[in-house]
Amino acid sequence: GESVGLHLPTLSVQEGDNSIINCAYSNSASDYFIWYKQESGKGPQFIIDIRSNMDKRQGQRVTVLLNKTVKHLSLQIAATQPGDSAVYFCAENLGDYKLSFGAGTTVTVRA
Amino acid sequence: DAGVTQSPTHLIKTRGQHVTLRCSPISGHKSVSWYQQVLGQGPQFIFQYYEKEERGRGNFPDRFSARQFPNYSSELNVNALLLGDSALYLCASGGNTGELFFGEGSRLTVL
Repeated sequence: GESVGLHLPTLSVQEGDNSIINCAYSNSASDYFIWYKQESGKGPQFIIDIRSNMDKRQGQRVTVLLNKTVKHLSLQIAATQPGDSAVYFCAENLGDYKLSFGAGTTVTVRA
Repeated sequence: DAGVTQSPTHLIKTRGQHVTLRCSPISGHKSVSWYQQVLGQGPQFIFQYYEKEERGRGNFPDRFSARQFPNYSSELNVNALLLGDSALYLCASGGNTGELFFGEGSRLTVL
């Protein structure tokens, strides 16, 4: 079964607001997570990753938070734009180029 | 630079037929992984190849097979197609950093 799972299948966000997408994982030994964005008709695109020796990592308009105590991670998107509309996946990197994906959250940005 | 290229982009088969999907990794990448993404779900790991050797296999029946060629391109073969094999088949290319880059996928419809 999946080692990671998303909390909500859909998220509707007003343009300009911040988005938060949540993900839970089951294995306390998991140590490497990646967030992917998948637009309609395209393959998953790397957004940001985080290893278990970090609690927070920031990129351009995105922040990933990792809470190892409750086995939870989140992706925050600042000032959400229409181009952010997509399906977002959290994935656990199991090593040897193998990823375990969650089910995905569909983010819809309202104008 | 060319990204991961997959062919064909779309194809329709009937039950019992055989299909071959092709993937060319990013130049310099020696690892190719295959994932199946059923509509509405996250990608599921099928195979991983590195330097022409199978290094990992997901929970898929023996009808699924793959190989990697000396130029690091890869083929995924599925025999005796079932309706449930209808999905987007994604190829991912991996380099020395361990990061995976996905192609746009091959959408297979089995009638």
